[in-house]
Amino acid sequence: GDSVTQMEGPVTLSEEACLTINCTYTATGYPSLFWYVQYPGEGLQLLLKATKADDKGSNKGFEATYRKETTSFHLEKGSVQVSDSAVYFCALSLTNAGGTSYGKLTFGQGTILTVHP
Amino acid sequence: KAGVTQTPRYLIKTRGQQVTLSCSPISGHRSVSWYQQTPGQGLQFLFEYFSETQRNKGNFPGRFSGRQFSNSRSEMNVSTLELGDSALYLCASSLGQAGTEAFFGQGTRLTVV
Repeated sequence: GDSVTQMEGPVTLSEEACLTINCTYTATGYPSLFWYVQYPGEGLQLLLKATKADDKGSNKGFEATYRKETTSFHLEKGSVQVSDSAVYFCALSLTNAGGTSYGKLTFGQGTILTVHP
Repeated sequence: KAGVTQTPRYLIKTRGQQVTLSCSPISGHRSVSWYQQTPGQGLQFLFEYFSETQRNKGNFPGRFSGRQFSNSRSEMNVSTLELGDSALYLCASSLGQAGTEAFFGQGTRLTVV
């Protein structure tokens, strides 16, 4: 079945450090890939997405590139801020060849990021 | 536009009872999905409804059920509650098409005692 594996956390960084959170996936069909972020006491918010191979999603300084050859979608940011402290989830959704969504997100286990001033 | 609204935000129930959670999606969204979030299991898919039909279902026992109304609002029901059902239940709405974004509500925190 489909699955998502994220790097083990938690990750603790100083402000302005570089961030990489690794994400790899296993899927049949044609997955779309997502990064979601969850702040304390909140639901999930979409950070970025990519719907086909070699697409790059970007938002708020975060980037991730859909690499089909390595089945990866690593999240990167060049300079983190204290306000980036949150839990980050990599996720995939499957569609069939006709582009119909199966309506289900499969999530990785989440990576807790803490950024210190 | 208004976001996804889940009610109630917090619930405390006793083992053996049943509970109903409600989700109002973003206007125009026909797909509503439900997820269970726990520290041990992470985020697990429960089911998805699209235009009042269950389109996909996760690996949960039959005690977990749901439905969607003609206005796309959805309810999730858990019967015969167990301690292990304590979790954050998240609802997400979307247009239901390939690659489209799912918008999440803030969740309902269910505690079973």
